[in-house]
Amino acid sequence: DSGVTQTPKHLITATGQRVTLRCSPRSGDLSVYWYQQSLDQGLQFLIQYYNGEERAKGNILERFSAQQFPDLHSELNLSSLELGDSALYFCASSARDRGDNEQFFGPGTRLTVL
Amino acid sequence: GEDVEQSLFLSVREGDSSVINCTYTDSSSTYLYWYKQEPGAGLQLLTYIFSNMDMKQDQRLTVLLNKKDKHLSLRIADTQTGDSAIYFCAESFGSSNTGKLIFGQGTTLQVKP
Repeated sequence: DSGVTQTPKHLITATGQRVTLRCSPRSGDLSVYWYQQSLDQGLQFLIQYYNGEERAKGNILERFSAQQFPDLHSELNLSSLELGDSALYFCASSARDRGDNEQFFGPGTRLTVL
Repeated sequence: GEDVEQSLFLSVREGDSSVINCTYTDSSSTYLYWYKQEPGAGLQLLTYIFSNMDMKQDQRLTVLLNKKDKHLSLRIADTQTGDSAIYFCAESFGSSNTGKLIFGQGTTLQVKP
């Protein structure tokens, strides 16, 4: 158990809908990262928050947004869903914001868009 | 640029050593990581190496880093069936103000009894 929790574990929805994925980082970690894992794109970095502020953006679509709340949990919002958004979405956390510290991953949320 | 490459598949017999290879292109990488993903599960951090090191050993795992060739390898000694999984290498950039990880495609390790 990495200490990072994600809910829900599975999500099935229809095209055009909007969903929210939730992540709680390890106790004491200030950075939260979101990654998408799909068969065609592999594991891709989406976005990073550090202590409530956006720190880095990767290949995140404009239909997707995220935020980190004062209690440090984070939410990833996916809207106008398309079939191609079906993937495993991982959240990870680390103590600091830079690349010189370990990242621990949650179990993921499997999103299926029908 | 940021690119990490791995071979896609490796098959070994139980008890043999496994060597999983990875190449990266960005010489500003600071930390290089190995993660393990079992079917239906998340990513488990196995080990990592700082870019100023050549080797790191942790029980059955040995990581070798060749900075000149930008080549990273993970050796698993006495491979067991429980080691069957997908192994990802990843790089991060400590010189920047983000800890984002760039992952390879993953190597599926199959261990035959």
